[in-house]
Amino acid sequence: DVKVTQSSRYLVKRTGEKVFLECVQDMDHENMFWYRQDPGLGLRLIYFSYDVKMKEKGDIPEGYSVSREKKERFSLILESASTNQTSMYLCASSFNSRYNSPLHFGNGTRLTVT
Amino acid sequence: GESVGLHLPTLSVQEGDNSIINCAYSNSASDYFIWYKQESGKGPQFIIDIRSNMDKRQGQRVTVLLNKTVKHLSLQIAATQPGDSAVYFCAETSYDKVIFGPGTSLSVIP
Repeated sequence: DVKVTQSSRYLVKRTGEKVFLECVQDMDHENMFWYRQDPGLGLRLIYFSYDVKMKEKGDIPEGYSVSREKKERFSLILESASTNQTSMYLCASSFNSRYNSPLHFGNGTRLTVT
Repeated sequence: GESVGLHLPTLSVQEGDNSIINCAYSNSASDYFIWYKQESGKGPQFIIDIRSNMDKRQGQRVTVLLNKTVKHLSLQIAATQPGDSAVYFCAETSYDKVIFGPGTSLSVIP
């Protein structure tokens, strides 16, 4: 089975801090994604990556950046955390190009910014 | 446990009965559809998928039906069990985009 591991289940950070969310997948998937999940808004795509050192903006990239230095690892960076970035963050990976195969999700990181 | 969504449509089903969860999709160009299950405190988990050249696909206790004419997708769960309690999302995908539905909360009554 594919395993997508997010390094933290819960994080509490202060406004203005730089925050790193880490994600690792163990199935040699090409594609990796970062979503946030908020009540009433569903899943929204922040950034995705189809290859090492490659990134593309999703629907809500403002306030975020990403890094993919190795195929198995995809990091989400909040340059200066704000309270409106309090959310559940979900990392996912998939095998095929674009959207022809299911996403495999991690169990999420619940981030609270105070 | 944690709530994954507020004000979600809710379906309550007696244990042992069949469940039907519906989803309307928006893009007539979508050609690949997926159902995910999200249990409290966990990430979404793949259940079953179907491509647009099919109308029906069956898995273990689950069946997905696709009606392209009215852009409707449904998930049928046979003999619903307490472990099926979760939020269920549909997702429609086209070449360059995946769109998730808002989710339906399934509650199984023992």
